[in-house]
Amino acid sequence: QVHLVQSGGGLLKPGGSLMLSCAASGFTFSDYYMSWIRQAPGKGLEWVSYISPDGAKNYADSVRGRFTISRDNAKNSLYLQMNSLRADDTAVYYCVRGHLSSTYWGQGTLVTVSS
Amino acid sequence: EIVLTQSPDFQSVTPKEKVTITCRASQSIGNNLHWYQQKTDQSPKLLIKYASQSISGVPSRFSGSGSGTDFTLTINSLEAEDAAVYFCHQSSSLPYTFGQGTKLEIK
Repeated sequence: QVHLVQSGGGLLKPGGSLMLSCAASGFTFSDYYMSWIRQAPGKGLEWVSYISPDGAKNYADSVRGRFTISRDNAKNSLYLQMNSLRADDTAVYYCVRGHLSSTYWGQGTLVTVSS
Repeated sequence: EIVLTQSPDFQSVTPKEKVTITCRASQSIGNNLHWYQQKTDQSPKLLIKYASQSISGVPSRFSGSGSGTDFTLTINSLEAEDAAVYFCHQSSSLPYTFGQGTKLEIK
């Protein structure tokens, strides 16, 4: 059974940094694209980034240059390093298997950026 | 960036009704359109992929249609458990984008 278990959210001040993690199990992690999608409180969904099995990456313009997606296939883990955080980065961040249609989503982790 | 516009934004319906939610893309996206259901405090759940392909485990009352710029999610014989927000999502070109959501309330 596929599981995506996220960790690492929290309350940060503007300009701060945070790393989100996503531990995957129940499938061959190294075979799959992985993505991060976020949802601001009470708002819709926003694609953030994806990484291919061999490490090719893409980012939304809103986070490019500030966020870095990475993966450790040996540890079956996905990461999102978030730097220079802004108030409008406040959202629930979801780890997602795949980069097109996505059947499997993590439970979400809340990142709050506030002074 | 491809903009997806859903209608309606909100709909209040009674059980057993048929519900239709539309999603219009700002440019042609072929069939690269997917539908998600999100219940309160839950992660989104994939209902339909590539406009009309069903997903294992999703009730057969959910169906999708369309191609190009106009797409429809249909829920036949609505059940109380279908109260949720529904999102369309395009994976035709980066940045991938989502519709603003349609909130379905069950009377």
